[in-house]
Amino acid sequence: AQSVSQHNHHVILSEAASLELGCNYSYGGTVNLFWYVQYPGQHLQLLLKYFSGDPLVKGIKGFEAEFIKSKFSFNLRKPSVQWSDTAEYFCAVSPGSGGYNKLIFGAGTRLAVHP
Amino acid sequence: AAGVIQSPRHLIKEKRETATLKCYPIPRHDTVYWYQQGPGQDPQFLISFYEKMQSDKGSIPDRFSAQQFSDYHSELNMSSLELGDSALYFCASSGRGGNEQFFGPGTRLTVL
Repeated sequence: AQSVSQHNHHVILSEAASLELGCNYSYGGTVNLFWYVQYPGQHLQLLLKYFSGDPLVKGIKGFEAEFIKSKFSFNLRKPSVQWSDTAEYFCAVSPGSGGYNKLIFGAGTRLAVHP
Repeated sequence: AAGVIQSPRHLIKEKRETATLKCYPIPRHDTVYWYQQGPGQDPQFLISFYEKMQSDKGSIPDRFSAQQFSDYHSELNMSSLELGDSALYFCASSGRGGNEQFFGPGTRLTVL
């Protein structure tokens, strides 16, 4: 079965620290990859996405992610976090090369950034 | 820009009651997806509709049904509610190409 694994369930950082959240997926075919962020009490917002092309994708708010096909990974990074980045981060995979496919989410990583 | 609208935002029901959740996609989006997010859990795909036809089905209980109407809004009908149905129910929509889903604010259902 297709699945998404996020390695860290809780991460605590100080402001200005660097962030890397791991994400691995199990699916042998073509996938579209996403990172979503959910701020406390709010809905899911798209941070960035990968469909094809350059495996290093840049998203909003200074986030970026790298798709490594050989490792089935799509790790999220940010060089310097801010207090406002405190949120839950979900990696998601949409299997198949076409659109209109369901999203399979990881368990999420809850990030707390201390001033 | 217009976003996905869900109503109601909060709903409290008793066990064995029924509930109807509504989702209004972004204008000109033709595909709607429903997800269930239990407390402290990741969103789980329930069902999706493309051009008013069911396009995919996930872990949706038989007690639940859904449809997409001619104006592309969708309704999730839930019957014989159980305590375990308490969750945040997200609707998402996508447009041409269908590669990116935009999420609504969710409906928080509490079953007492």
